Parts: sequence; C-alpha cells; structure tokens
Amino acid sequence: ELKVEQNPLFLSMQEGKNYTIYCNYSTTSDRLYWYRQDPGKSLESLFVLLSNGAVKQEGRLMASLDTKARLSTLHITAAVHDLSATYFCAVDGYNAGNMLTFGGGTRLMVKP
Amino acid sequence: DSGVTQTPKHLITATGQRVTLRCSPRSGDLSVYWYQQSLDQGLQFLIQYYNGEERAKGNILERFSAQQFPDLHSELNLSSLELGDSALYFCASSARRGVGNTIYFGEGSWLTVV
Repeated sequence: ELKVEQNPLFLSMQEGKNYTIYCNYSTTSDRLYWYRQDPGKSLESLFVLLSNGAVKQEGRLMASLDTKARLSTLHITAAVHDLSATYFCAVDGYNAGNMLTFGGGTRLMVKP
Repeated sequence: DSGVTQTPKHLITATGQRVTLRCSPRSGDLSVYWYQQSLDQGLQFLIQYYNGEERAKGNILERFSAQQFPDLHSELNLSSLELGDSALYFCASSARRGVGNTIYFGEGSWLTVV
C-alpha cells in the first residue's frame, strides 16, 4: 500500500524567511503533485512533477522530485503572508495513472 | 475557478438517509474522480470514471456508488448515512487517459450527517 508522509505537519514562519516542506513516499513512482488548499476551499494545483530530477518554480515556490530517494520538496523563498495555506503532496502510484494518494498536509502560517 | 462544478455546496441530512452529489467536469475532460476529505482520514481517493466507465476504485464504501453519464457529468450516491460520513466530498477532472495530467478539483460538497 502506497503511503505518503509530509513533514512538518505545521509550520509557522516569519515573512521573508525560507523553508522547505518534505514529502516522502513508500513505493516507486515518478508522478508527484503539489496542491494548495485555503481553509474550507478547493485544492489548487501548484506543480506536477513527472520525472526524476524534475524541478519546477512558480513565484516564491519551487518543487523538486528525487524518485530514487522517493522524496519531493517544496521550497518557499522569502515567504509572504499570502502563502499561508495548507500544502499537500500527492503521489500517483497507479499504473493507469491519475489515482492520487495524498500526504497529510502541511499547514503553513506566515506571520507578518 | 477550476471549471469543475459541484452541487450542492452544503448538505445537512440525518443518519440513515441517502444523498446524491453532482459534478460537472471541466469542458472536454473525460476523467472524473471523487475524493473524500475528513479530519480523521485526510484526503482519500474514492473512485474514478473515464468516459462513462469505471477506471479505478479506492477506499469507497459499499454504501456509496457513483456513475458517469453520457454527457460526462457524474453523481456520487451515499446511502444509509452514518455520522462518520460527514466530510467534504471533492470531484475532480482531467483531460484524458494516461499519466501526468493535471487534475483539477471542484469547490467540494460539504456533507453533515446529524
């Protein structure tokens, strides 16, 4: 059974600081997704990583994938308050594709 | 706005009852997925349909069923409801069969069972 673990589960940081969220998973996969969720809202797609060594950046967020280590990271650079949300990673471990197993989420709070 | 539409947004019902959640995927998307989000279970995959056919099944209870219609909208039927079924139910869609497609989520349907 595919297991996806994120850490930390909760992150409180000051504006302007950098930090990294980690996503570990238990079985071989080269399809890793990152989503953002505001309280009570939908899941917003941030990144889709499809190969070992993939790196994608959007604004202050950068995601990477190491399939050999079964690890993805979401790096936050110079955090701003608007980044406060819960971030989920999800792994597609299904051969036919697109069946996502989600991590428990990392609740990020950026203090002004 | 992801383009995935779900109704109703909120629903309160009693134990033992049956409800139907409806989803319209993004225009042109053939795949529809249902996920459940609860505090104790997190986000769990329930079921996937592709162009009207069931493609994958996750942790979906026997009391739950789904279908995708010829116009590609989907319905999730929840019956004999229990307090523990209270959750946020998401529908999602993606463009085509295969791997690596972006999966877009709707706003969700909040179900409260009392």
